[in-house]
Amino acid sequence: NFMLTQPHSVSESPGKTVTISCTRSSGSIASNYVQWYQQRPGSAPTTVIYEDNQRPSGVPDRFSGSIDSSSNSASLTISGLKTEDEADYYCQSYDSSNPWVFGGGTKLTVL
Amino acid sequence: EVQLVESGGGLVQPGGSLRLSCAASGFTFSSYAMSWVRQAPGKGLEWVSAISGSGGSTYYADSVKGRFTISRDNSKNTLYLQMNSLRAEDTAVYYCAKQPTWIQLWSLYWGQGTLVTVSS
Repeated sequence: NFMLTQPHSVSESPGKTVTISCTRSSGSIASNYVQWYQQRPGSAPTTVIYEDNQRPSGVPDRFSGSIDSSSNSASLTISGLKTEDEADYYCQSYDSSNPWVFGGGTKLTVL
Repeated sequence: EVQLVESGGGLVQPGGSLRLSCAASGFTFSSYAMSWVRQAPGKGLEWVSAISGSGGSTYYADSVKGRFTISRDNSKNTLYLQMNSLRAEDTAVYYCAKQPTWIQLWSLYWGQGTLVTVSS
């Protein structure tokens, strides 16, 4: 089994750029796609990035995803931060033995 | 427009049973695998179970194997989760999610969730 590790929290000011990391404990980060989900308080998750770096329709291009094989990690970058971006963000991946593995979540505060 | 609407949550005693439903619309339901994902109060997301479009293949997290059963009625465009022998640690909001395919283990679409509380 592998785990995905995220920072518990990050904070940044409006208009700035923030990056949230997601490190895979074993196996290659590049071997299976990584997704990112946003969850605002009291709401269901929504998908902001799928297949490492693809944005669903309706998600602004301020959101971008990438993977880095050297650090075995994925990253979600949000530029031009807005107060509405304040939420919990979860990374998620899988492999043949471990479906739907989630990171522990990162609370983004925009202050 | 894809819509997923869960129902059936509520308060149940430990050891009891509950059946959740997820009514789907806006897509050809039988063509897509579906999953249940839960979130305990104040905690992160946890995948629970998945079922193929035909219903012929199912998959469970170890934490619910032998107690929960996922099923679907493609004639009614509805996904189910039968939960038996419920424990306090099953208390969570349960979300249904539409997978792109059986082997693409992620989702673009989520329901609004239904709360299950297991308590005496």
